Amino acid sequence: ELKVEQNPLFLSMQEGKNYTIYCNYSTTSDRLYWYRQDPGKSLESLFVLLSNGAVKQEGRLMASLDTKARLSTLHITAAVHDLSATYFCAVGEGSQGNLIFGKGTKLSVKP
Amino acid sequence: DTGVSQDPRHKITKRGQNVTFRCDPISEHNRLYWYRQTLGQGPEFLTYFQNEAQLEKSRLLSDRFSAERPKGSFSTLEIQRTEQGDSAMYLCASSSTAGDDTQYFGPGTRLTVL
Repeated sequence: ELKVEQNPLFLSMQEGKNYTIYCNYSTTSDRLYWYRQDPGKSLESLFVLLSNGAVKQEGRLMASLDTKARLSTLHITAAVHDLSATYFCAVGEGSQGNLIFGKGTKLSVKP
Repeated sequence: DTGVSQDPRHKITKRGQNVTFRCDPISEHNRLYWYRQTLGQGPEFLTYFQNEAQLEKSRLLSDRFSAERPKGSFSTLEIQRTEQGDSAMYLCASSSTAGDDTQYFGPGTRLTVL
């Protein structure tokens, strides 16, 4: 059974600082996604990572995937308040279409 | 393209009543998914369709839950004899196997069972 673990679950940052969110998963998968969720809202797709060594960047966020270590990271550079949200990683389960989500990392960026 | 839409956005019902939710996917997306999310948790997979075929159902989907996608376009999720434990946000997502299969989520239906 595929399990997805994120850490930390809560992250309080100061503006301008850098930090990394980690996503570990328990069995082989060929696709990993990062989503953002604002309070009371639905999920917004950030990145899709489909191969070992894949790296994608959008603004202050950069995601990477190491399929051998079964690890993905979401790196935040020079955080700003607008990045405050909950970030989820989700891993594709086998050949099926469904995703298994981590518990999420609640990020709070303070001035 | 207006994205995934869901109706209603909120539903309050009494225990034991039946409820039905609707999801309209992004047009031409052949896959449609239902998830459930409770406070402080990530979404949990319930079921998914490829075109009109229901290809997988989670163990979470008890026999009180049924989903349909009759013409491969919109989908409905019905919960019979609702229980307080069914209170959650029900999320619909769609994707296209012609692309990278990224799932795009709708705004969700928040169900409260009294």
